[in-house]
Amino acid sequence: NAGVTQTPKFQVLKTGQSMTLQCAQDMNHEYMSWYRQDPGMGLRLIHYSVGAGITDQGEVPNGYNVSRSTTEDFPLRLLSAAPSQTSVYFCASSTITGGTEAFFGQGTRLTVV
Amino acid sequence: DAKTTQPPSMDCAEGRAANLPCNHSTISGNEYVYWYRQIHSQGPQYIIHGLKNNETNEMASLIITEDRKSSTLILPHATLRDTAVYYCIVRSTNSNSGYALNFGKGTSLLVTP
Repeated sequence: NAGVTQTPKFQVLKTGQSMTLQCAQDMNHEYMSWYRQDPGMGLRLIHYSVGAGITDQGEVPNGYNVSRSTTEDFPLRLLSAAPSQTSVYFCASSTITGGTEAFFGQGTRLTVV
Repeated sequence: DAKTTQPPSMDCAEGRAANLPCNHSTISGNEYVYWYRQIHSQGPQYIIHGLKNNETNEMASLIITEDRKSSTLILPHATLRDTAVYYCIVRSTNSNSGYALNFGKGTSLLVTP
């Protein structure tokens, strides 16, 4: 099983550029989410989705857009990158029933200069 | 805000049991206690979870107090590879909160030879 796959692993952007972070899972999970982790901090929820066509905001959504056209994919878009978005981004998926494990990808390390 | 409180750091001798405490005094009846760990900047790795009863798997044991206001993760025979940041998380099964995993800053566990 591939689990949760994130691409790219590393990315450097210039301020104002746009890009999409990709996340795919092969476990048929309804729930997918994006987190960011800043140095020395825990993970913070950006956006999440409970199924295809359904997305909602998390704790720190500003500057990010998401869409969920299929169960498998949940891309995160930065429309105009800012240095404050320099972070490590993690995608996670799980079922939405209580008491189940969430699986994380290996992360995308993004630097905005 | 994170709904859990953990000590920022702990040490443990290799081969001894590591007991990591967590306070979650405001936990709701439908919230599970999860433990994840993160080695370097890799994606968080699931360890164990529970609702009311104590749980054990091949990695660890989870002891939850009867009032559910605190818990302890036990690594029975710590190895150097268990050096990581350990996160105690309460996960809501309420859709209004996004089924979020509420990460705090975790406990940095150092296992020494």
